Amino acid sequence: NAGVTQTPKFRVLKTGQSMTLLCAQDMNHEYMYWYRQDPGMGLRLIHYSVGEGTTAKGEVPDGYNVSRLKKQNFLLGLESAAPSQTSVYFCASSYLRGGYNEQFFGPGTRLTVL
Amino acid sequence: AQKITQTQPGMFVQEKEAVTLDCTYDTSDPSYGLFWYKQPSSGEMIFLIYQGSYDQQNATEGRYSLNFQKARKSANLVISASQLGDSAMYFCAMRGDGGTSYGKLTFGQGTILTVHP
Repeated sequence: NAGVTQTPKFRVLKTGQSMTLLCAQDMNHEYMYWYRQDPGMGLRLIHYSVGEGTTAKGEVPDGYNVSRLKKQNFLLGLESAAPSQTSVYFCASSYLRGGYNEQFFGPGTRLTVL
Repeated sequence: AQKITQTQPGMFVQEKEAVTLDCTYDTSDPSYGLFWYKQPSSGEMIFLIYQGSYDQQNATEGRYSLNFQKARKSANLVISASQLGDSAMYFCAMRGDGGTSYGKLTFGQGTILTVHP
């Protein structure tokens, strides 16, 4: 049981390049989330999904797209990377949306955009 | 809208002593959950403790306890008998349990805890 995994762990991009971050979970969770962490600002929600084939915008969605074609995978795409997207990206998943039900986080992806 | 405020950017504590990390929140949801996560220097997010808004008792998990004061909208984390391995960033987070919240978490800015030997 690997939990939540993220690929890649590190990446350096040039401005304007594109990339996709992959999140995979093996816990059969319905809900998945992408957050970004910037110094002094905690984690902020980018996009989320409440089930296979569904996605929705979070607090800071501009410049990102997501897809959830399979229940276990949640992809985060940057079509044209900007230096402002330099951040640590965390994927998380949960089984239910309420109650004693924490989100399980992946190890994070550190992205630098030059 | 939900908001979490952690007013202590950094805290220091002596090993084996107790420390309280402050968290205040604001929400219009009548039902919500409060979480604390630990982020060591290695970067992963580790779940510590959960408190539901309707829970009658304060949550406890080993050396961690949550001092929940609903009227004051505070959810402070208490770590008893601090250890060197407790040195980390700590985040308070809230999840509204309304119909459209979908389990989304709102995080505070975090508090860096340093435990001195």
